Amino acid sequence: DIQMTQSPSTLSASVGDRVTITCRASHYISDWLAWYQQKPGQAPKVLIYDASTLHSGVPSRFSGSGSGTEFTLTISSLQPDDFATYYCQQFNTYSKFFGQGTKVEVK
Amino acid sequence: QVTLRESGPALVNPRQTLTLTCTYSGFSLNADGMSVTWVRQPPGKALEWLAHIDWDGDQYYNPSLKTRLTISRDTSKSQVVLTMTNMDPVDTATYYCARIPGQCSPSICSSFGYFDFWGQGTLVTVSS
Repeated sequence: DIQMTQSPSTLSASVGDRVTITCRASHYISDWLAWYQQKPGQAPKVLIYDASTLHSGVPSRFSGSGSGTEFTLTISSLQPDDFATYYCQQFNTYSKFFGQGTKVEVK
Repeated sequence: QVTLRESGPALVNPRQTLTLTCTYSGFSLNADGMSVTWVRQPPGKALEWLAHIDWDGDQYYNPSLKTRLTISRDTSKSQVVLTMTNMDPVDTATYYCARIPGQCSPSICSSFGYFDFWGQGTLVTVSS
């Protein structure tokens, strides 16, 4: 099974900060990676797929990069609506495992 | 407009079987490379992928839960059903269904892999 490891688990930041979250896959997954945002009491929403493709309607301050086993999600200028938990997910194989999540909280 | 809605019991006794239904609209599960998946999230914890079923009925399961899960579809009702046997209090979670988009060419269908539309989730508590 491919395991996904995110870092950090929690990130404290302020509005306007540049934020970077890292996701590492235990095996090579090419660019078969997605990023999701989840707010309390809500279902997750896809932000990015294929490692770097912005999903329709997602603000351009979100970007993704990486390939192989190391990936990053960057928020160029953190907005009040961006305080949430973020998950990476691999879909290189039929088992579509998630990372453990990164909570972005107010500093 | 794509929508998915989960339904099922809010409370299940230990050792019972859980049956959840995902009713979808706005797409066809037996065409265009589409799939439907189930994901759960225990309170305060991370997302866990459970299973998915694709456009030609193939089923895929989380290896750690495979012996307890069955996913099926009824395309005439636009429904996907997940059953989980031998429920335990650690299975208490919000259960989500979601769509996996795809596409078909004249000769082959392929899944895009990620989950683009989600239901609102249903909380299932396992307790006696």
